Amino acid sequence: QVQLKESGPGLVKPSETLSLTCTVSGFSLTSYHVSWVRQPPGKGLEWMGVIWGDGSTAYNSALKSRLSISRDTSKSQVFLKMSSLKTEDTATYYCAREGYWGQGTLVTVSS
Amino acid sequence: DVVMTQTPPSLSVAIGQSVSISCKSSQSLVYSDGKTYLHWLLQSSGRSPKRLIYQVSNLDSGVPDRFSGTGSQKDFTLKISRVEAKDLGVYYCAQTTHFPPTFGGGTKLELK
Repeated sequence: QVQLKESGPGLVKPSETLSLTCTVSGFSLTSYHVSWVRQPPGKGLEWMGVIWGDGSTAYNSALKSRLSISRDTSKSQVFLKMSSLKTEDTATYYCAREGYWGQGTLVTVSS
Repeated sequence: DVVMTQTPPSLSVAIGQSVSISCKSSQSLVYSDGKTYLHWLLQSSGRSPKRLIYQVSNLDSGVPDRFSGTGSQKDFTLKISRVEAKDLGVYYCAQTTHFPPTFGGGTKLELK
């Protein structure tokens, strides 16, 4: 069955770079796009970006200068990198495929 | 970006009651292929969002038919008939017609 699972550090310092991994199973990354969505504590959902089946990417303009999404199809993994972290980037980060979401991983940005 | 406005922000309901949630978009959500990419999600407490309905009115697998979605263009409604305890949580509408995808602010459904 389709599954997505996020992994990464739970705590990152301000100004550092966040690296997250989304490991998927049950489908091919070349056939489906995968998005990243985040949710600050107690707040709503914000779409961050997507990597399409052909490997191209698109980003939320508000994050574009700091965000990079890539993948390793041989490992069924999608990667998110976001630089220059601020405290307001504290959120649960989800990867999602159409109709399916990962469990999310909480990232706290704090010194 | 397309702004998605959900009302009400919260709803108190008794088990067995029916409720409706409204979602209005700042632009028509009809895509060039004629389809409308408006979806409904439920986020239960402490859980990740789960899609319930896609393209306005299509129920995802395993979603009971107590849930129904209607609407067109810029005005959409989610109706839940005979609310059960497992239906409680925050409901979001989401559009993927226009780039970037955007979400409504959420409607929290809680017990009266």
